Amino acid sequence: AQSVTQLGSHVSVSEGALVLLRCNYSSSVPPYLFWYVQYPNQGLQLLLKYTSAATLVKGINGFEAEFKKSETSFHLTKPSAHMSDAAEYFCAVSEGFGNEKLTFGTGTRLTIIP
Amino acid sequence: NAGVTQTPKFRVLKTGQSMTLLCAQDMNHEYMYWYRQDPGMGLRLIHYSVGEGTTAKGEVPDGYNVSRLKKQNFLLGLESAAPSQTSVYFCASSYPSGGISTDTQYFGPGTRLTVL
Repeated sequence: AQSVTQLGSHVSVSEGALVLLRCNYSSSVPPYLFWYVQYPNQGLQLLLKYTSAATLVKGINGFEAEFKKSETSFHLTKPSAHMSDAAEYFCAVSEGFGNEKLTFGTGTRLTIIP
Repeated sequence: NAGVTQTPKFRVLKTGQSMTLLCAQDMNHEYMYWYRQDPGMGLRLIHYSVGEGTTAKGEVPDGYNVSRLKKQNFLLGLESAAPSQTSVYFCASSYPSGGISTDTQYFGPGTRLTVL
């Protein structure tokens, strides 16, 4: 069984500050890991994913995440927050190899302070 | 390419009424999924399908039924709606036919359902 824990249901950062959203996973097999973003009243959009290649993954809109097996973590970062980053962010895990089913975390709502 | 579309966008039902939510994708994906999203609970998988004519239960299947008669469509039915089914429902698809699995799911815009 696999699971995802997102620490902090709400995170606020000032515009221009570092964004750090935390995700820890549990999986019985080498996982595939994902970050999705949801803007208000919209569906989910893929930000980035880790599929056992490079441990530092770069995504869209300047976001990146690092897979750390020893810490079972996949934290999302962005060096400088922009007002347009305000959204809800979801971490998800799958078993890969065509399994395709995702297990989502409960989400982190990011607020940007002007 | 419309991607994944959902019909309707909003719906209000009375307890005991039935309805069907339609999901359509034009990406020739094999796999399709129905999720519900509730505050503080993330997305939970209701049912999914790994191909035309096949369906399987997800994490929270009770009170819902699904059908996948055509590859591009995945229907979610509520036979007797209950207030606990008030939620936002998302459809997603993945795995292009004849392609390589990428485990990336593409989501529709959602259907907001209220059951009174």
